[in-house]
Amino acid sequence: ETGVTQTPRHLVMGMTNKKSLKCEQHLGHNAMYWYKQSAKKPLELMFVYNFKEQTENNSVPSRFSPECPNSSHLFLHLHTLQPEDSALYLCASSQAPSTSGRNEQYFGPGTRLTVT
Amino acid sequence: AQSVAQPEDQVNVAEGNPLTVKCTYSVSGNPYLFWYVQYPNRGLQFLLKYITGDNLVKGSYGFEAEFNKSQTSFHLKKPSALVSDSALYFCAVRDHLMNYGGSQGNLIFGKGTKLSVKP
Repeated sequence: ETGVTQTPRHLVMGMTNKKSLKCEQHLGHNAMYWYKQSAKKPLELMFVYNFKEQTENNSVPSRFSPECPNSSHLFLHLHTLQPEDSALYLCASSQAPSTSGRNEQYFGPGTRLTVT
Repeated sequence: AQSVAQPEDQVNVAEGNPLTVKCTYSVSGNPYLFWYVQYPNRGLQFLLKYITGDNLVKGSYGFEAEFNKSQTSFHLKKPSALVSDSALYFCAVRDHLMNYGGSQGNLIFGKGTKLSVKP
């Protein structure tokens, strides 16, 4: 295990539902990330937090709302999603700052999201 | 702008044979380079990185990668492949000259190469 956990592992939701994805890291890191992984597409960076402050929003639609209450926890709140939002959502953490370049990221197992 | 390319969607190797997964990059300065592996239904797992120093980098599970500045490549290699090495492999790059903050400061991942090792 990498020290990064994600719940739930699988989620099926309708387009009108509201749900949240949770990520927790036990590595003492201060940078956390959300990525979207779709079939046949490169890994897409969504959000970055350094020391609980959001430092990047990579043009993500507002139906995705991140929250980072502390350096160990990261949430992704979902509402009124579209079927094309179905994907594997990966959380990662690293030593901060995220932009130091030298620091590898540690990934959770992901949440497989299906929007019906 | 920085970018990374993995020219092969899939690499097929017989068990016991050497394997190579290719990666080339483009940055304006000197690169930081990474390899990650993803097993089915799992997140990405860090394998190795090149920051500076020796061009040959050794990582987990017997993998190694060679940084070649003139060819802007960072190919992943293993002398003897195992069936259990079958997975999706991602190369990633960051230009160390990029300023802190903003999208320029984060890793750029390749699209991945599926490695299949047959018995």
